[in-house]
Amino acid sequence: EADIYQTPRYLVIGTGKKITLECSQTMGHDKMYWYQQDPGMELHLIHYSYGVNSTEKGDLSSESTVSRIRTEHFPLTLESARPSHTSQYLCASSEFSGANTEAFFGQGTRLTVV
Amino acid sequence: GQQLNQSPQSMFIQEGEDVSMNCTSSSIFNTWLWYKQDPGEGPVLLIALYKAGELTSNGRLTAQFGITRKDSFLNISASIPSDVGIYFCAGRYTGTASKLTFGTGTRLQVTL
Repeated sequence: EADIYQTPRYLVIGTGKKITLECSQTMGHDKMYWYQQDPGMELHLIHYSYGVNSTEKGDLSSESTVSRIRTEHFPLTLESARPSHTSQYLCASSEFSGANTEAFFGQGTRLTVV
Repeated sequence: GQQLNQSPQSMFIQEGEDVSMNCTSSSIFNTWLWYKQDPGEGPVLLIALYKAGELTSNGRLTAQFGITRKDSFLNISASIPSDVGIYFCAGRYTGTASKLTFGTGTRLQVTL
């Protein structure tokens, strides 16, 4: 069973608010990812990290930002939430190298901006 | 960028039937992964494939890594109601910063 946790599971927030979505993993994985997914649709990579102090933009442009100060923690921040940010946000982690590089996902945060 | 096309987009099948879905890519991958996602949850890894031609089973699930490295398929035998969900393929090529590219998903519904 994967040990990767996201909080909160659900968040309803007003336009203009600053929010931080938390993601933590206890597997010691170097690589971590954030995906954005609309209901029933495919996953789009918005941020990833190779390790501490490493952050990269993903394939889908996002107004969110991320930080990686500790290996186990990869929070995502929206400085000013808007209704267009309403979506599900999924965090994942994997080993950096080696033959087995499966990504394990958290349960997701469903964000609704009103 | 790389694209992964999954087919079919959705399936309605009866309990006990076998299911087959596939994923094709415009470029080669070194790794193919198959995930299942239940509503409101994160994807759960079902099967991982690491070598062209590899055939791997996990219970009633069987997946294969295509010889051309541009495709993969997933079979589910004797489907049951809890197989309902969205199945995603994902591919990784180590030359692209090891990022996973996800397919468009196959929505499976099982009727009694």
